[in-house]
Amino acid sequence: DAKTTQPPSMDCAEGRAANLPCNHSTISGNEYVYWYRQIHSQGPQYIIHGLKNNETNEMASLIITEDRKSSTLILPHATLRDTAVYYCIVRVRAGNNRKLIWGLGTSLAVNP
Amino acid sequence: GAVVSQHPSWVICKSGTSVKIECRSLDFQATTMFWYRQFPKQSLMLMATSNEGSKATYEQGVEKDKFLINHASLTLSTLTVTSAHPEDSSFYICSATQGARNYGYTFGSGTRLTVV
Repeated sequence: DAKTTQPPSMDCAEGRAANLPCNHSTISGNEYVYWYRQIHSQGPQYIIHGLKNNETNEMASLIITEDRKSSTLILPHATLRDTAVYYCIVRVRAGNNRKLIWGLGTSLAVNP
Repeated sequence: GAVVSQHPSWVICKSGTSVKIECRSLDFQATTMFWYRQFPKQSLMLMATSNEGSKATYEQGVEKDKFLINHASLTLSTLTVTSAHPEDSSFYICSATQGARNYGYTFGSGTRLTVV
């Protein structure tokens, strides 16, 4: 059961910021939000994750709303190589393990 | 960084035969490994979770006798698709982590299985 909702597709101009939204209104207090991306027929690539606070790394920024019901992934200066499917994921507890529940993803097209 | 090697990257087999896919963590000990299946233009679907030395935990609807998972060491997990049929054709992906308290999930490059 997907716990996230994302727009199916988005476009972005090369060099501009790409803002990818995600709704996770049923997220529980101790469940993390993860973002991965996948280029066609390859394994997913980690981007960033967070719990409550906004996070930033060399790839992207993650903005999480105060009520934690939604978040936005920001690619500050999109390039053509950022064209991929971006997945917003919730990490849930499953017994002694923590598993990732994948949404349907947003297909981002970065245009020249 | 953490690296997970998955082999083979693609395989074609005849209907009724079995296929084994390997997933290795190259530079860390993977206490937990996950196996996913992905159909064209769809998201990743978790099939099972395996902890080293224990039986795998399968997601609802996944046949454990058809998809045999072995996680006998901290660096290797295998998925065997038994008596494969054309409907088993899919992209299979493994992921590894160092445990529940570790926040990193490293993915393999995937295996494209085609059953003819």
